[in-house]
Amino acid sequence: NAGVTQTPKFRVLKTGQSMTLLCAQDMNHEYMYWYRQDPGMGLRLIHYSVGEGTTAKGEVPDGYNVSRLKKQNFLLGLESAAPSQTSVYFCASSSPTSRDEQFFGPGTRLTVL
Amino acid sequence: GNSVTQMEGPVTLSEEAFLTINCTYTATGYPSLFWYVQYPGEGLQLLLKATKADDKGSNKGFEATYRKETTSFHLEKGSVQVSDSAVYFCALSGSGGSYIPTFGRGTSLIVHP
Repeated sequence: NAGVTQTPKFRVLKTGQSMTLLCAQDMNHEYMYWYRQDPGMGLRLIHYSVGEGTTAKGEVPDGYNVSRLKKQNFLLGLESAAPSQTSVYFCASSSPTSRDEQFFGPGTRLTVL
Repeated sequence: GNSVTQMEGPVTLSEEAFLTINCTYTATGYPSLFWYVQYPGEGLQLLLKATKADDKGSNKGFEATYRKETTSFHLEKGSVQVSDSAVYFCALSGSGGSYIPTFGRGTSLIVHP
């Protein structure tokens, strides 16, 4: 099993550009999450999904959109990137039957110039 | 709402020293408690967990006991190694029927030879 994978690993954008981060998991997990990690801020939840076709806002959703068209994939979109979105983005998945232990991807380091 | 408070770092120790990283929480009901570890350049991975009061989670020489009376889940290791240098996150989930996890801000551990 590959677990949770994220694409791309690194990306540099100019202000105003758009991009999509892809997260894929092969553990048949119901729940998927997108976090951002900034120095001194820990992990902050952006959006999450409790199942295929459903999404919900987390703590810091502004400037991001998500889609969960297939159970194994969770996409995070930035329509018009801003320097404040420079961060490391982590995807995670979990299952209610495993008492919500989260499985994390390796992260995507995004820089917005 | 739920919250997790960790001691601020960095925690700097010499090899073979005793480690304690404090974690306290606020939550309704009976959440599950977790410690995750993040090695440089990687995503978070589960270190240990406890699902009910007085449970002790353990892994790789690390231990933490779920103390409901003090709402704490302190991480300990008797003899740290240089390879333990990482950021440690305390987390909870399953509080009040919610599967959305709450993370602490993380504590950086630096172990010198």
